[in-house]
Amino acid sequence: ETGVTQTPRHLVMGMTNKKSLKCEQHLGHNAMYWYKQSAKKPLELMFVYNFKEQTENNSVPSRFSPECPNSSHLFLHLHTLQPEDSALYLCASSTANSPLHFGNGTRLTVT
Amino acid sequence: QKEVEQNSGPLSVPEGAIASLNCTYSDRGSQSFFWYRQYSGKSPELIMFIYSNGDKEDGRFTAQLNKASQYVSLLIRDSQPSDSATYLCAVKKSSGDKLTFGTGTRLAVRP
Repeated sequence: ETGVTQTPRHLVMGMTNKKSLKCEQHLGHNAMYWYKQSAKKPLELMFVYNFKEQTENNSVPSRFSPECPNSSHLFLHLHTLQPEDSALYLCASSTANSPLHFGNGTRLTVT
Repeated sequence: QKEVEQNSGPLSVPEGAIASLNCTYSDRGSQSFFWYRQYSGKSPELIMFIYSNGDKEDGRFTAQLNKASQYVSLLIRDSQPSDSATYLCAVKKSSGDKLTFGTGTRLAVRP
């Protein structure tokens, strides 16, 4: 059972919709991450939060908007997405000296 | 040049054989090296990490690091069909730095 929980597991949305992905970690970690995983590509780091503060934004389009209200919760708000945004979105958490622990991911399909 | 390079495979080995997965990295300052296993439709899970040159063994898994040649490998002894998955190599420069992933090598263990 993973200590990082993501909901929903699957999401289908139209290009005009607005939806949010949720991530919660129960590991006491101070850093949380959003990654995008597309077929045949390396995991792409999107955003990093340390102690609720965003420390990295990897040139992600503004149609993806992260929110981190506290060290245990992370959201990814989605609006006016494109079909090429269809991918597996993975949340992860860590401390400075620990490896990443991933959630089970949200499989997103944009129609 | 890719930061972390892996052969995408598939690497096919018979059950009981040794599977050898390789990874090269471009940044000579890299300090920490991780192997994640990802089953189809699931999230990556950490199986090994290594920081020092040489071998590190954990059960059927051995990680090997050669910083001078900038490669890290994962050996899986007595391969089982349940080992069939994609293996992701990830590299980190320092404890607070981000993790950079390769595209992964797909391993297929034939019964």
